[in-house]
Amino acid sequence: QVQLVQSGAEVKKPGASVTLSCQASGDTLRNYYMHWVRQAPGQGLEWMAVISPSDGRSTYAQNFQDRVTLTRDTSTSTVYLDVSRLTFEDTAVYYCARLYYYDMTTGFDYWGQGTLVTVSS
Amino acid sequence: IQLTQSPSSLSASIGDRVTITCRASQDISGYLAWYQQKPGRAPKLLIYAASTLASGVPSRFSGSGSGTDFTLAISRLQPEDFATYYCQQVKRFPPITFGQGTRLDIK
Repeated sequence: QVQLVQSGAEVKKPGASVTLSCQASGDTLRNYYMHWVRQAPGQGLEWMAVISPSDGRSTYAQNFQDRVTLTRDTSTSTVYLDVSRLTFEDTAVYYCARLYYYDMTTGFDYWGQGTLVTVSS
Repeated sequence: IQLTQSPSSLSASIGDRVTITCRASQDISGYLAWYQQKPGRAPKLLIYAASTLASGVPSRFSGSGSGTDFTLAISRLQPEDFATYYCQQVKRFPPITFGQGTRLDIK
């Protein structure tokens, strides 16, 4: 059974960095783009970044380009999202989700359970 | 690619049929998905490729459309259907884009 299991909740101060993880079980990352999406309290879904299964290259939304880094460890089927220079506006639930590399019409079929990041002084 | 979803909120009764629309700013062919999200939960895939029901999703959900105009329909509303619904385009990224969401409340 496929599961995307995310790391636990974080509380950070403004200006700090946070690293979130997402581990795939029941399947590997080999055939899937791995995406991150966040949702601020009471708000909609905001796409942040993706890492390609073919070459491990990451691509970012323009809003996050200079302070987000997405990496992977294929040996453990884990992807890592680093967000630096946190501000109060980064308080949100962060989700990982997968998209089948060979047929993107299939949508994000599995999502992680979400990780709440709270930025507070 | 911008997605404009309407309405932003909707009230309906058990047993009603409702429709939600999603308009893309350019042709995305059938690269559209619909998600349902309940409070405190991750989004759940309902429809992919504009009209294909995801595994385990009840047949009262249906999707249609192609190009720029898409519709999600829910017939015979059940109590568990009251949630927020999002459309998403996967034609081209970056960025992946989502509609702003439609909150479906019980009347």
